[in-house]
Amino acid sequence: EAQVTQNPRYLITVTGKKLTVTCSQNMNHEYMSWYRQDPGLGLRQIYYSMNVEVTDKGDVPEGYKVSRKEKRNFPLILESPSPNQTSLYFCASSFLGLSPLHFGNGTRLTVT
Amino acid sequence: AQTVTQSQPEMSVQEAETVTLSCTYDTSESDYYLFWYKQPPSRQMILVIRQEAYKQQNATENRFSVNFQKAAKSFSLKISDSQLGDAAMYFCAYWSGNNDMRFGAGTRLTVKP
Repeated sequence: EAQVTQNPRYLITVTGKKLTVTCSQNMNHEYMSWYRQDPGLGLRQIYYSMNVEVTDKGDVPEGYKVSRKEKRNFPLILESPSPNQTSLYFCASSFLGLSPLHFGNGTRLTVT
Repeated sequence: AQTVTQSQPEMSVQEAETVTLSCTYDTSESDYYLFWYKQPPSRQMILVIRQEAYKQQNATENRFSVNFQKAAKSFSLKISDSQLGDAAMYFCAYWSGNNDMRFGAGTRLTVKP
C-alpha cells in the first residue's frame, strides 16, 4: 500500500531532550516536506527536500534539523526542544512538479 | 510569497443541505494547483478535490465541487447533500510545484443532524 509512515503518533518530552520524528515513504517520491500545524495558522512548512542530500528551509525552520540520506526517509530532529515547539507535525511527499502531497498521519508533540 | 486566505474560521450546515467554503489566494504564477484537504478528528489529511489552474472547467468529485475564478483568485468548495461524516476541518492549499504548498488557516465545518 502506498503510504507515508510517520512515527511516533504521540510524543511527550521535556525541554532540552533531543528527539527524532521519523518519516518514510514507499512511493519513490523525490519531494518530501515537514509541516507543523497550529490553531489559527494552518500548516506551515519547516523544511523540505527535493531529492537525496538536498534540503532547504521552509517558513519556520528555527529549532529543527532534517536529513535526507536515502530517498525514502526524511527524519525531523529537534536537538533541544522547547515548549513553543509543542504542535502537530506532518510529513508529506510527492513527485516533483504539479502532483498532490501525500501526508503521514501526524505526530502530536508536547514539550513540557 | 503566495498566501492563502480562508475567511471563515467556522461554518455549520444542516444535514442534507449545501454549504460553500471560501478561499482566496495571492500569486503571480500562471501555472499551479489548488487543493481542498479534509482533516477529520483522526488528524489525517485527506485530499478532497484538486484544480489545475490552466483548466477552466471546475473540478467535481461526487458531492464536492469547486468554483474556481482565476482572475479573482478565488477557489471555493461546495459540499452538496451534506453528511455527518463531512464534519471536519477543511484546508485550502496552493501548490506551484516548486518547494512549498501553502495552506489557509482552515475552516471547521459542523454538520447538524
